[in-house]
Amino acid sequence: QLVLTQSPSASASLGASVRLTCTLSSGHRTYAIAWHQQQPEKGPRYLMKVNSDGSHSKGDEIPDRFSGSSSGAERYLVISSLHSEDEADYYCQTWGTDIQMFGGGTKLTVL
Amino acid sequence: QLQLQESGPGLVKPSETLSLTCNVSGGSISGDSYYWGWIRQPPGKGLEWIGSLYYSGSTYYYNPSLKSRVAMSVDTSKNHYSLRLSSVTAADTAIYYCARCSGFSSPNYFDHWGQGTLVTVSS
Repeated sequence: QLVLTQSPSASASLGASVRLTCTLSSGHRTYAIAWHQQQPEKGPRYLMKVNSDGSHSKGDEIPDRFSGSSSGAERYLVISSLHSEDEADYYCQTWGTDIQMFGGGTKLTVL
Repeated sequence: QLQLQESGPGLVKPSETLSLTCNVSGGSISGDSYYWGWIRQPPGKGLEWIGSLYYSGSTYYYNPSLKSRVAMSVDTSKNHYSLRLSSVTAADTAIYYCARCSGFSSPNYFDHWGQGTLVTVSS
């Protein structure tokens, strides 16, 4: 069964870097995923697609300090030089045969 | 610049049918490489995919947990698509988002989102 697992929370200091993780279920480690950001009281925004080989393609006007990578069944979102506006919920999303789904989301706090 | 805007009643009574429309501007709903989806978010909770369809209307995918109550349709002449969710209960109270979904042979990832509309189910 296709499942995405995310840690509920993460925190990092202003100006630092943080890596958020999305883990694909067993048997699905070759799947690509997408990352979406949801700032407080706003709708989600597409950040990037991350492939199993670590390559990624970003959405329009997504800053360079956002990047993606992969290792095995894990897909990463790396945010460098954290800004206060990066404090948000981050969701990974994937797709399979006749189905699409989201991970539970990670709430990022910028200290 | 592509924009999506949800519209519809903000209050629906239990057991009735929720109906929403997503108006697409800045681009055609009839593009070959895109599907069009609905996602919802209950208050304080995460995102849940509802369904996605192709502009032809003949190809669609629904969340298995909602499949018996969901119907999606598209009107290319108006450049909009719609969601109907029947027999609603309080558990269907959520912010409903429409979003464009990249994909050619099947829907993949959502790359443009609407701002969302809150629908409350209450008598």
